This record gives sequence, structure tokens and C-alpha cells, in this order.
Amino acid sequence: DGGITQSPKYLFRKEGQNVTLSCEQNLNHDAMYWYRQDPGQGLRLIYYSQIVNDFQKGDIAEGYSVSREKKESFPLTVTSAQKNPTAFYLCASSMAAGPRTEAFFGQGTRLTVV
Amino acid sequence: KNEVEQSPQNLTAQEGEFITINCSYSVGISALHWLQQHPGGGIVSLFMLSSGKKKHGRLIATINIQEKHSSLHITASHPRDSAVYICAVSQLSGGGADGLTFGKGTHLIIQP
Repeated sequence: DGGITQSPKYLFRKEGQNVTLSCEQNLNHDAMYWYRQDPGQGLRLIYYSQIVNDFQKGDIAEGYSVSREKKESFPLTVTSAQKNPTAFYLCASSMAAGPRTEAFFGQGTRLTVV
Repeated sequence: KNEVEQSPQNLTAQEGEFITINCSYSVGISALHWLQQHPGGGIVSLFMLSSGKKKHGRLIATINIQEKHSSLHITASHPRDSAVYICAVSQLSGGGADGLTFGKGTHLIIQP
């Protein structure tokens, strides 16, 4: 089955530690995205990548980093510089970055920093 | 940037009722998306539409471009329809999910 896999589903980390969230897709999509979801707010774009070895900052990129070394993988690192890292993180992909391209979402990773 | 407003924020209904969730936006768009998020958190795309109406099973989505408004209807609602329904719009410029602006979602509960 084609789809997007995020792991782990739940993640706990101590304050001050970097943590990397995994996102893998086997849909052969060129574009991949990371979103953050907080209670009572809409999804906000952290980073996106339209092609391998290239990525752009979204609306709330501070404190996060990404890489896109392979087409199918787009890991997100939450660094210690992120002030409020506890949130639900969603990865998405689309065939291309066109205005009417459908996006496919993963199941999400809930990160709790203690 | 587009402002996307959904109403109601929360909706509780009895099984079998006809459900309507509304979405309005402030600036012209290229497409509007309806998404469903279940309690586990994963999101599924229900519809992507740029004009008229689409139907899939018991779900119907309509859009009025002139009024900048869309509705999602659920006929013969069932407890398994309980979820958060999210409206998102694609800007006229840019594309894919980087150009999406999301509403805050409508939390729907269908009671047996």
C-alpha cells in the first residue's frame, strides 16, 4: 500500500535535547511538507521541499531543521532552540507543488518535551 | 494571507441527522480542500474542489466561488463520522501544501 509513514507515533524528550521525527513516503511524490498542530489552531507550515536536496522555510521554521537527501524521506529535527516544542507534528506529500495538487498526510507524531 | 473561518467549532448531533459544516475564506483561491482528522491524529483528504459540487458516499461538498464559501454535508450521520473536519484553501499563487491555509477545524460528535 502506498502512503506516508511517520514514526514514532508518540515521542517524549527532555528539555534541551534535539529530537528527529521521521517521515517516509512511497508515493513517488516530489513535494514533502512538515506541519505543526496546536490545540485550537489550524495547521502551520514548518518546512517544505519541492525536490531532493532543496527545501524552504515555512511560516514557523525557527527552532527546526530538515534534510531531503532522498526523495522518499524528509526528517524533521526539533532543536533545543525551539521554545515550545510540545505539539502534534504532521508530515504531508504531494505529487508536485501545483495549486490544485492533492496533499496526502501521515498519521502524525505527538511530541512531548518534559 | 487568506483567512479561513469554519463554523461551527463544535457540533454534537444524533445518529441519522443531516450535518452541515461551513467554511468561508477572504481571498480568491485556486482550490478548497476538506480534510478529516480522526482521534488518532491522522488526516485524510475527503475532497478537493474548485467549483460546483462533489459527492462521495454520504459526503457532499459544495463551493460558491463568488461568495467565497464552502459547505460539507453529511447525510444519515453515523457515530463513525465523529472526527475533526478541516477546511483548507490553496492560494492562487504558489501551490501544493505549501500554499495551503487551514481553518481551525470543526469537532463533530455523532451520538448513537
